[in-house]
Amino acid sequence: QVQLQESGPGLVKPSGTLSLTCAVSGGSIGSNNWWSWVRRPPGKGLEWIGETYHSGSTNYNPSLQSRVTISVDKSNNQFSLRLSSVTAADTAVYYCARRFGGFDSWGQGTLVTVSS
Amino acid sequence: EIVLTQSPDFQSVTPKEKVTITCRASQSIGSSLHWYQQKPDQSPKLLIKYASQSFSGVPSRFSGSGSGTDFTLTINSLEAEDAATYYCHQSSSLPYTFGQGTKLEIK
Repeated sequence: QVQLQESGPGLVKPSGTLSLTCAVSGGSIGSNNWWSWVRRPPGKGLEWIGETYHSGSTNYNPSLQSRVTISVDKSNNQFSLRLSSVTAADTAVYYCARRFGGFDSWGQGTLVTVSS
Repeated sequence: EIVLTQSPDFQSVTPKEKVTITCRASQSIGSSLHWYQQKPDQSPKLLIKYASQSFSGVPSRFSGSGSGTDFTLTINSLEAEDAATYYCHQSSSLPYTFGQGTKLEIK
């Protein structure tokens, strides 16, 4: 069974860049799935950020597109998220997930707080 | 962007009760609608994919139905462990979107 694990700083300064990595185990990132990032701000619902395929193709949420980069690292079986120019509104639990239609596998999530 | 509207936002129910949560899409999405359960401090778990297909390992009391714009998640004979927030999600068109969530409280 595939497992996903997020890693990265839990605190980012305003105007800085949020960087997270999702390590995939128990399966290949080269499989026929999309690899996504989803976030949940405190007290709010789920928001899809974007996704990548093993070929490097990407899709982004237009609301974040100007600030988001998602990339895949096949050699290390992982994918990454970069979100630039962050503000307090970007404080959230960030999840990585595998999508094959629905999101069928999720990481445990990591809280990222934007604060000085 | 396709907007998904769930109802109700909150429901307080007793064990063994039958629960119905609805999700309405702002435009037709065929059967590209999925349901998740999220408990506090846990990641979401896929319950139902493509409107009515049960995901592996999900208890049989969870079922889904609908197509087009109107969808339903049904929980038969509710158990205490079903206390959670439930979300619908559409993968018909970009950007993928979620409903606002339905919080289920067990009395």
